[in-house]
Amino acid sequence: DAKTTQPPSMDCAEGRAANLPCNHSTISGNEYVYWYRQIHSQGPQYIIHGLKNNETNEMASLIITEDRKSSTLILPHATLRDTAVYYCIVRVGAAGNKLTFGGGTRVLVKP
Amino acid sequence: GAVVSQHPSRVICKSGTSVKIECRSLDFQATTMFWYRQFPKQSLMLMATSNEGSKATYEQGVEKDKFLINHASLTLSTLTVTSAHPEDSSFYICSARGVSAYEQYFGPGTRLTVT
Repeated sequence: DAKTTQPPSMDCAEGRAANLPCNHSTISGNEYVYWYRQIHSQGPQYIIHGLKNNETNEMASLIITEDRKSSTLILPHATLRDTAVYYCIVRVGAAGNKLTFGGGTRVLVKP
Repeated sequence: GAVVSQHPSRVICKSGTSVKIECRSLDFQATTMFWYRQFPKQSLMLMATSNEGSKATYEQGVEKDKFLINHASLTLSTLTVTSAHPEDSSFYICSARGVSAYEQYFGPGTRLTVT
């Protein structure tokens, strides 16, 4: 699976949009981009995934560049409960394949 | 979304004893489950992949005789840490392939402390 690069930490203001970048320059054509988050002392929570088109769900939006070498997770209106470590992962195909977690981005939402 | 539970949420055991952790998919059948370990301030590390009815596949460096995994049914996988030592103290997390082929759901984790 392709490796990803994320900033180690970032702060954002409550109520504002949070834009979390991820670089995956070695991604191959059959690899999906997944985002998970982990709130302190809990198991990771699935957020969203995509292949090449932008995706949106009730939690977030995922913007993937046309060359697929990077993506951005957007939390439209950050709340204090969004404080967590956010992991960007690329993986071949379906959920039967394992997820490999990198360092993630520690996001702190401030009032 | 699909729910994965783990039991116990916390366990303290003495060095040399064994401890079993259960992982259950509550509202779906999971043919594939995964076990992760997370040390403080570190990321999750995959230990093994478990397929129902077959032997688990362990990641490099994980001792299969120390970390016994059983996936006897479509809703239950267990991880047994045998002859536990203080260095096995960690946060153990399971996950299961969800009803959607592209989703994987995680349990809340089990914090193991070996004294």
